[in-house]
Amino acid sequence: GDSVTQMEGPVTLSEEAFLTINCTYTATGYPSLFWYVQYPGEGLQLLLKATKADDKGSNKGFEATYRKETTSFHLEKGSVQVSDSAVYFCALRGPGTALIFGKGTTLSVSS
Amino acid sequence: DGGITQSPKYLFRKEGQNVTLSCEQNLNHDAMYWYRQDPGQGLRLIYYSQIVNDFQKGDIAEGYSVSREKKESFPLTVTSAQKNPTAFYLCASSIREMGNQPQHFGDGTRLSIL
Repeated sequence: GDSVTQMEGPVTLSEEAFLTINCTYTATGYPSLFWYVQYPGEGLQLLLKATKADDKGSNKGFEATYRKETTSFHLEKGSVQVSDSAVYFCALRGPGTALIFGKGTTLSVSS
Repeated sequence: DGGITQSPKYLFRKEGQNVTLSCEQNLNHDAMYWYRQDPGQGLRLIYYSQIVNDFQKGDIAEGYSVSREKKESFPLTVTSAQKNPTAFYLCASSIREMGNQPQHFGDGTRLSIL
């Protein structure tokens, strides 16, 4: 079945460092790909999405590119802030199906 | 503002007791979902519904039940058959049958055992 694998955390960075969180997927067909963020004690918020190969999703300085050839959707940010500390989830979704999530990566940014 | 409301925020269950978690949305979405979140496990799908009066089991439906009598409401009952119910429960909704549309999430209910 379809699945998502993301790098295990926690990821610990200093403010203004470069961030990469790796995400790869296995899917039949052509799913849409998503990154969600979860702040402590809250639900999930959509961070960005990409719906077809070579699409780049971006929001709040975060970017991810849908790479069909490597089945990847890595999340990047050029300069992280303390306020970016959260858990990040990579997910995929096919037509008429529910989201399938990776296990999440905890990011901790210190000043 | 449109959104998803989950209540209560915290819930405690006694041994042998059924408890019901509420989920209401005013986004006019057809599809609604329940996920369970455990530390280090990500989110796992319990049940989902794509239309009123219809729902399907997800990956971990045992010990749970749902109903979908109204478009805006999708309550989840954690029954006494669920032996390990302590977790964070998240409700979501989306436009039906649209794989390129995101799911919108509520703020969650944290269930604990007394």
